Amino acid sequence: NAGVMQNPRHLVRRRGQEARLRCSPMKGHSHVYWYRQLPEEGLKFMVYLQKENIIDESGMPKERFSAEFPKEGPSILRIQQVVRGDSAAYFCASSPGGGLFEAFFGQGTRLTVV
Amino acid sequence: AQKITQTQPGMFVQEKEAVTLDCTYDTSDQSYGLFWYKQPSSGEMIFLIYQGSYDEQNATEGRYSLNFQKARKSANLVISASQLGDSAMYFCAMREGIWNKLVFGAGTILRVKS
Repeated sequence: NAGVMQNPRHLVRRRGQEARLRCSPMKGHSHVYWYRQLPEEGLKFMVYLQKENIIDESGMPKERFSAEFPKEGPSILRIQQVVRGDSAAYFCASSPGGGLFEAFFGQGTRLTVV
Repeated sequence: AQKITQTQPGMFVQEKEAVTLDCTYDTSDQSYGLFWYKQPSSGEMIFLIYQGSYDEQNATEGRYSLNFQKARKSANLVISASQLGDSAMYFCAMREGIWNKLVFGAGTILRVKS
């Protein structure tokens, strides 16, 4: 859904660099979800955030990955010291509420680690 | 344990014919939701159709319908009158509990032949 804006669309990083992926939810949506899609696979849940709160981070790798959704501004998924295995498409979805609402996806950020 | 199973890695269908994409799920929750998404080669995730576990009627959205068989835990997507633009990857997903945290299947690649 064009309403959820992710940028950049494509990101190339060298091994060891940091990657910052941004997600602006649809207007009026205060819930954000991040998913990762490895090549040839389905999407895997990473983290669920509300404004200023991490609700569920059960899918986040324990190291190098972090996410935030500040009171003002977009949600950020941050990957420190990227490795080749981090190459994937990262999708953000937003919804107006936590449950019983359809989540709208952004167009994704394709991260390539060289 | 795999929660969403899509047994068809790839499917072919003749243009203007109907096609069914299979999806079975596993959950012990009474309240859950089932989604189908389309991912064309451009990579974005397009919401197609949603079925709630308490919905008594099968969901329909234009040429898309969801054949929901609760006792069999299946939620097959039926696309009627296939078009060349339907060629894409299709993902079945399930939401468990109260959050919009989705579990995705591995996907089915659909190719529509002219």
